[in-house]
Amino acid sequence: EADIYQTPRYLVIGTGKKITLECSQTMGHDKMYWYQQDPGMELHLIHYSYGVNSTEKGDLSSESTVSRIRTEHFPLTLESARPSHTSQYLCASSVDRNTGELFFGEGSRLTVL
Amino acid sequence: GQQVMQIPQYQHVQEGEDFTTYCNSSTTLSNIQWYKQRPGGHPVFLIQLVKSGEVKKQKRLTFQFGEAKKNSSLHITATQTTDVGTYFCAGPRQGGKLIFGQGTELSVKP
Repeated sequence: EADIYQTPRYLVIGTGKKITLECSQTMGHDKMYWYQQDPGMELHLIHYSYGVNSTEKGDLSSESTVSRIRTEHFPLTLESARPSHTSQYLCASSVDRNTGELFFGEGSRLTVL
Repeated sequence: GQQVMQIPQYQHVQEGEDFTTYCNSSTTLSNIQWYKQRPGGHPVFLIQLVKSGEVKKQKRLTFQFGEAKKNSSLHITATQTTDVGTYFCAGPRQGGKLIFGQGTELSVKP
C-alpha cells in the first residue's frame, strides 16, 4: 500500500470560507498531482509539481492554488469556497517522470453549502 | 488536444460472465496504464503496457496494447462481485502527465 495521505477525508463548509486540503507522501516522490473527480466521472488534472518550488496548472481550470515547499507536502488551497467547488479532490504522486505510475491518496470529499 | 476515449461507459453483467472495456487514443502512446477504482474509493494502479501488441495477464484479467499503440483493452473472464468498480485507462502526455479515459463502470449481479 502506498504511503500517501490526505486530510481531511470529508469536509462540509460554507460559501466564502478558505480551505486547505493537505497531501503528504513519505515515498520521496518528486512528482505530485491534484485531480478533481465528480461522482462517477473521469479524473481531471488541476495541478501538478515536478519537485520543490515547481507548480503547474493542469488541464482543468481551477480557482485553487498549490504550493510545494517540501518534497513530501503538496497542499491545495481555495481562498473562497463556492458550491461549484463541491467535488472529490485526489492527490497522487509518482516516482518516475516518464512512466508516471500514480499512487493515489484516499481523497478529500468537499461539500460547499 | 490529445484525447483518450473509453467505452462502454457502463456495463452490467451477471456473475460469471465476461467483461471487456476498450480504450482509444487520438495519438500514439508511449505506454498505457490501467487503474481500478472501487465505489467510494480511490484509483489503484493495475498494470502498465509499453510494447506494441503486448498482452499481459493478471489472474482473470487480460490487458492488451494495440499494434499501433493507440488502443488498449481490458478483459475480465468469469466476473466476480469483487470485480465491481470503475476501470480507467490512462495515457501519458508530454511532461509525464497522465490523461485518463472516462472510465467504464462495471456492476456484477450475483
